[in-house]
Amino acid sequence: AQSVTQLGSHVSVSEGALVLLRCNYSSSVPPYLFWYVQYPNQGLQLLLKYTSAATLVKGINGFEAEFKKSETSFHLTKPSAHMSDAAEYFCAVSEGNQGGKLIFGQGTELSVKP
Amino acid sequence: DSGVTQTPKHLITATGQRVTLRCSPRSGDLSVYWYQQSLDQGLQFLIHYYNGEERAKGNILERFSAQQFPDLHSELNLSSLELGDSALYFCASSGYRDPGGDEQFFGPGTRLTVL
Repeated sequence: AQSVTQLGSHVSVSEGALVLLRCNYSSSVPPYLFWYVQYPNQGLQLLLKYTSAATLVKGINGFEAEFKKSETSFHLTKPSAHMSDAAEYFCAVSEGNQGGKLIFGQGTELSVKP
Repeated sequence: DSGVTQTPKHLITATGQRVTLRCSPRSGDLSVYWYQQSLDQGLQFLIHYYNGEERAKGNILERFSAQQFPDLHSELNLSSLELGDSALYFCASSGYRDPGGDEQFFGPGTRLTVL
């Protein structure tokens, strides 16, 4: 069965500092992996996705993630945090033979201090 | 704006009641997914419809049902409501061109409060 674990329910960084949000997955077949962001009182917005084309995936707003099969990880990074990055971030996994349903991690709330 | 609309935005009702949540997918998207977001369970997949047919079910209670109509809008029906059903319910749509790999576009959600 698919599952996703996000390490750290809350992460706090200073403005300009590196952002690192951790995600590990479990999947019996090559997975599709996603990072979504949720701003307060809004729906989820896709940041980036991995679909086996390239292991380093670049997304919107300067975020990127690297797929590491040996570590079953898909960590999200951004070199320099902005105040506007404060939000909740969700890692999700999908398997093609499951029709596209997303299995989400518990989420990581990112705070950015001035 | 994702192009997915959900109504109503907020819903307050009492235990034992029945409610209907509505979702209109993005123009051209044939797939509709429903998710529930609660503090204790997080984001959970409920059900997936493609072009009017049910494709997959997740942790959806028997008191809940859904359907997708010929115009592709979808409704999620919740009955015999309990306090624990209070949550944010999201609808998402996709074109289903790459099952599994498609981006799902999420609506703004319906916040259900059961008193």
